[in-house]
Amino acid sequence: KNQVEQSPQSLIILEGKNCTLQCNYTVSPFSNLRWYKQDTGRGPVSLTIMTFSENTKSNGRYTATLDADTKQSSLHITASQLSDSASYICVVSASGGGADGLTFGKGTHLIIQP
Amino acid sequence: DTEVTQTPKHLVMGMTNKKSLKCEQHMGHRAMYWYKQKAKKPPELMFVYSYEKLSINESVPSRFSPECPNSSLLNLHLHALQPEDSALYLCASSLGTGGSFYGYTFGSGTRLTVV
Repeated sequence: KNQVEQSPQSLIILEGKNCTLQCNYTVSPFSNLRWYKQDTGRGPVSLTIMTFSENTKSNGRYTATLDADTKQSSLHITASQLSDSASYICVVSASGGGADGLTFGKGTHLIIQP
Repeated sequence: DTEVTQTPKHLVMGMTNKKSLKCEQHMGHRAMYWYKQKAKKPPELMFVYSYEKLSINESVPSRFSPECPNSSLLNLHLHALQPEDSALYLCASSLGTGGSFYGYTFGSGTRLTVV
C-alpha cells in the first residue's frame, strides 16, 4: 500500500530560525513528489515539484531535497517568517496513477513565533 | 489567469437545504477534481472529471452530486447533508488527465458547516 509519512507532526520555532521538515514515502512506481503549503482554511499552494532525477530544488527560502534511493524528501525553510506558519503537505505521485495515484501525507503543522 | 476560483468561501446550511458549490478555472485545464478535507487531515479525493465527463467517483454518498457544465466550470450540488459532512471542500484542476504528472492547482476552498 502506498504511504507517505511526515515528521514532525507539529513544530514551533522562533522567527528568523531555520527548520527542516521530513517526508518518507513508499509509493511505487514513483513519478514525482510535491511539497504544498496550506494556510488554515485555505487550499494548498504548490512550493516545489521533484522528479526522480532531481536532488535539490529551491523556491525562495524553501529548499526541497529528494533521495530516491532511500525514498526520503526534506523541505528546508531558511530565515523563517511569521507568514510561514501553515501546514506543509508532502504529496507523492505514482506513475500512471492519475488522480487516484496521489498519496498525501498528513502534513507538518508549523508555527512561527515572534 | 492562473487561479482556481471557488465560491462561496463559507457556507452554513441546514440538513434539509439544497445548496451548490462552484469552481471555475480559465487555464485550459481539462481535468477537474473535488476533494474533502477535515481539520488536520489530508484532502480526500471525491470526484474526478476528465474532459467534462465523470471519470472517478470515490464511493461518495449520493447526497453529493457533481456536475461539469463545461470545461471551465465544476459544481458540487449538496442535498440532505449530515453534520459530519462539515469540512473544507477543495476544487483542483490539472492540465491533463494524468493529474499526478501534471500537478494540481487548488482553489482556496469552501468552508462548509452543516447544522
